[in-house]
Amino acid sequence: AQKVTQAQTEISVVEKEDVTLDCVYETRDTTYYLFWYKQPPSGELVFLIRRNSFDEQNEISGRYSWNFQKSTSSFNFTITASQVVDSAVYFCALSEASGTYKYIFGTGTRLKVLA
Amino acid sequence: EPEVTQTPSHQVTQMGQEVILRCVPISNHLYFYWYRQILGQKVEFLVSFYNNEISEKSEIFDDQFSVERPDGSNFTLKIRSTKLEDSAMYFCASSERRLTNYGYTFGSGTRLTVV
Repeated sequence: AQKVTQAQTEISVVEKEDVTLDCVYETRDTTYYLFWYKQPPSGELVFLIRRNSFDEQNEISGRYSWNFQKSTSSFNFTITASQVVDSAVYFCALSEASGTYKYIFGTGTRLKVLA
Repeated sequence: EPEVTQTPSHQVTQMGQEVILRCVPISNHLYFYWYRQILGQKVEFLVSFYNNEISEKSEIFDDQFSVERPDGSNFTLKIRSTKLEDSAMYFCASSERRLTNYGYTFGSGTRLTVV
């Protein structure tokens, strides 16, 4: 069965610190997709990244980077030099190619960046 | 940039009443979804809709729920007889294809409060 685990419920850091949000997933599919979404206090879901199961290349986008490791079924997200505007709930999600591409979300990690 | 529009942003209803949550997906999109998020919890899949029929639904999506695309532009979620536990944020999403590089486009949500 598919499952996404975000073990960190809440993380607090001081501005400019680096922070890593963990995501571990379970799936029987060989083709699947992983996502990270940001949910700021205003409540909308903001797409950050999509990763394919067949592409383990890590990705960097500005202060954001993602580390995908199939061997450990993990897709971790690092924010470098965090800023107060990064304060939000971050969700990791899994979508399997065998189905309707519905998303299975993790429980989210609330990140608080303190000035 | 095209948006998925959801109305109303907040709806309060009495237990037992019917509610209709409305969504206007992006005009050339073909795949439609409803998700819900109980306050402080994870985002959960409700239903996916394609070619004027439900393609997949979750256990949450019982007989009290229905979806419709009545006029080719709106996509509605109806809850026939609301319960207190239906209080949640409901997100509509749409997609041009089953899988895109940027995931679905989510609406900003309708917060439903059942009293």
